[in-house]
Amino acid sequence: DIVLTQSPATLSVTPGESVSLSCRASQGISTSIHWYQQKSNESPRLLIKYASQSISGIPSRFSGSGSGTDFTLSINRVESEDFSVYYCQQSYSLPLTFGSGTKLEIK
Amino acid sequence: QVQLKESGPGLVQPSETLSLTCTVSGFSLTSNSVHWVRQPPGKGLEWMGIIRSGGSTDYNSALKSRLSISRDTSKSQVFLKMNSLQTEDTAIYYCTHSYSAYFDYWGQGVMVTVSS
Repeated sequence: DIVLTQSPATLSVTPGESVSLSCRASQGISTSIHWYQQKSNESPRLLIKYASQSISGIPSRFSGSGSGTDFTLSINRVESEDFSVYYCQQSYSLPLTFGSGTKLEIK
Repeated sequence: QVQLKESGPGLVQPSETLSLTCTVSGFSLTSNSVHWVRQPPGKGLEWMGIIRSGGSTDYNSALKSRLSISRDTSKSQVFLKMNSLQTEDTAIYYCTHSYSAYFDYWGQGVMVTVSS
């Protein structure tokens, strides 16, 4: 199984700061990584597909990059509504797997 | 618009079988895949399995011996059955839509508690 390691586990930031969240795969997965946001008591929401492809309706401050084993979700100037948990997910091979999540919290 | 809604019992006895239904609208099960994903309270997401547009299935190997996913295309419903439930199966169970191995639409989830 492909293991996805997300870091940091928790990131404390001030609104208006820009942040980068990391997801590292245990083997090369090309660009088969997708990012989700999960707010408390809500279902996850797709933010980015295939490492860097944008999703309709998602604010442009969210962007993704990377290929191979190292991937990054960037949030340009964090807003109050962005404080939640972020997961990466790989679709390179079955079983599909998720990272353990990064919690973005207010400093 | 694409919608998915899970339904099923909120409480299941240990060693019993869980049966969940995912009712979908806004897309055809014969052209799209549906996955089941679960999330224990306060923990991360776990992929359980998929039923593809053609009806084939794949399961997480950790659950494969206990899990079955099926569908009724005429009713736009996908079914999950998992036997021999234990307390560690307590989780929110989501059904999700995918066209290309990422999950673009999610149901609201159904909380299942395994307890006597």
